[in-house]
Amino acid sequence: DGGITQSPKYLFRKEGQNVTLSCEQNLNHDAMYWYRQDPGQGLRLIYYSQIVNDFQKGDIAEGYSVSREKKESFPLTVTSAQKNPTAFYLCASSKGSRVPRGAEAFFGQGTRLTVV
Amino acid sequence: GDSVTQMEGPVTLSEEAFLTINCTYTATGYPSLFWYVQYPGEGLQLLLKATKADDKGSNKGFEATYRKETTSFHLEKGSVQVSDSAVYFCALSTLNLYNNAGNMLTFGGGTRLMVKP
Repeated sequence: DGGITQSPKYLFRKEGQNVTLSCEQNLNHDAMYWYRQDPGQGLRLIYYSQIVNDFQKGDIAEGYSVSREKKESFPLTVTSAQKNPTAFYLCASSKGSRVPRGAEAFFGQGTRLTVV
Repeated sequence: GDSVTQMEGPVTLSEEAFLTINCTYTATGYPSLFWYVQYPGEGLQLLLKATKADDKGSNKGFEATYRKETTSFHLEKGSVQVSDSAVYFCALSTLNLYNNAGNMLTFGGGTRLMVKP
């Protein structure tokens, strides 16, 4: 079945550590996105990528980094510079910019990151 | 920039009650509009969408009509069930080829719905 897989589902990080969240899709989508969700709040865009080897900062990119070496994969690294990383992280993909109006985004199941 | 405003929750209803969740938007272009649903501990799933004015999206008994004159996309359901308890997000996307943002979504803050038996 086609879809987006995020791993791990739960992740614990010590103060000062970098951690990497995995996101893989087999939908042949060009575009991929990372969102952060805090309790009781909406989704805020961290980074997005419309094509391999290219990505752009979203609204809250500070303290995060990404790479897009393969079409299927868009890992997110939460660095020690991110002062408040505890949150629920969602990865999404869509067909990208050269599609008709209304192309939907597909989401993974999320990774819950907790700083201990 | 683009923005989406939803009514704040939680919304608490009894089973079989009528549901309305309000959503209004501001967009620089001509957006497509979406409702996504998030069940506890999970990612978001597309519930319904509409791509032009006066279109009605519908799915699983939920409906929403694209009202360009009032910039609204309110979600409705005639008779809610306990299984509808979730967080509902209104979102829009505007094709933007100039900064390579494509069909990127802008989300509202989400509305938690709790349905009691």
